[in-house]
Formats: sequence, C-alpha cells, structure tokens
Amino acid sequence: GAVVSQHPSWVICKSGTSVKIECRSLDFQATTMFWYRQFPKQSLMLMATSNEGSKATYEQGVEKDKFLINHASLTLSTLTVTSAHPEDSSFYICSAGSGRGYNEQFFGPGTRLTVL
Amino acid sequence: GENVEQHPSTLSVQEGDSAVIKCTYSDSASNYFPWYKQELGKRPQLIIDIRSNVGEKKDQRIAVTLNKTAKHFSLHITETQPEDSAVYFCAASQDSGYSTLTFGKGTMLLVSP
Repeated sequence: GAVVSQHPSWVICKSGTSVKIECRSLDFQATTMFWYRQFPKQSLMLMATSNEGSKATYEQGVEKDKFLINHASLTLSTLTVTSAHPEDSSFYICSAGSGRGYNEQFFGPGTRLTVL
Repeated sequence: GENVEQHPSTLSVQEGDSAVIKCTYSDSASNYFPWYKQELGKRPQLIIDIRSNVGEKKDQRIAVTLNKTAKHFSLHITETQPEDSAVYFCAASQDSGYSTLTFGKGTMLLVSP
C-alpha cells in the first residue's frame, strides 16, 4: 500500500519551454501532496504543499508563477515548470500523506529535469 | 520555523560494525521524527519513525532513540551490510494533520565489505 508514482521519470527540454510533472497516489486518496526539489548531494527542499481543491502553499523564495501546482483530484497533483531555464535543472520529487491521520509521507520516484 | 541539524555528513564503517547518525531539532512542538534512506537516483524510503510519546523504537537491525528534553534523536544501525550504503535523512514535524517535514542535510553512509 501507499504507492506514489511520478511521470515522467526524466525529461530534457529547451530553455523557455514549459514542463509538466504528474504525481499520483495509486492506492490511496491524498488530500495533501508535497513537492520537493533536490540538487545533487543535497537534502530535499520543500517547494510547496498541494491541497486538493485549493491553492497550493508555497515556501518562501519559491516563485509561484514559475512553479504552477494543481491538485485537481484526490489522487493527482501536477507541477508545471514554466519558461524553464538551465538553473531549474534538478530532481523533483513529490510525496503524499498516507491518509491514516499521521504525518507519514510516501515519496514518488522523482523526475530528473534537464534544461538545455 | 523548525531547523534540523544532522551529523555526520559522511560515515564510513566496516561491514558488521554499528553506525550512528544524530539529529537535533529546534521546535519543541515537533513530535514526529522519521528517518529516510535514499539510494542514488531513487526515492527516499521511510525506514523507521518515532513519535514523542516513546523514547526508543526498534525494527530488526535499526533503532531510533529520542530525547525530547535535549531535542535530539538518533538512528542506530547494527551489523551493517554493504546494502545499507545510502544517504540517510532525518526529519521532524508536528504530527497533526499534514504538517510539513523539515529534513536534515543527510548522511552518506558507506559500508565496506
């Protein structure tokens, strides 16, 4: 149980284009999902908290107009990196709450984004 | 907000030895402390967690201890094996609803055969 998938697993795009990353909870409903960014050999940095049916809560320093988050259903949240630039290249990971009333989070496999 | 410090940043041990990773946190309201293992290029995997109502929790070769007074918690791995080699992250949060996790910077554990 508590399986989270992400798609795509990796993507290469040209500078200036937009990229959409999907995060799905496969066997449970997740009212809350989280988006993290991880640079090589560094820790996970929370970007935003995504709540189903409402606006995402962004961490300080994260541009909400650049990293668009949509959580349209209880099993799907999307992160769109708009007008991507090379400095946006990173490993993006989502997580979802287990829904059991505790703060367990289960992570997706991550998406490696490379912007040329 | 919460701040989590993790030490050491790297840890090398021989197979069969024990490994200990320590974390401190700043927010006394935090009461949920998970540990994640992340292999290169893969997702973090929850390996053990502890809540503030207990001081120690054990699962086979891994154990976690918590000292709420001192605001620190530790991961203990006994009889280490090469497959334990990975980056380990500690985290802290308030165990209410869906509070955010604050992660430590990670410890790269290398277990040599």
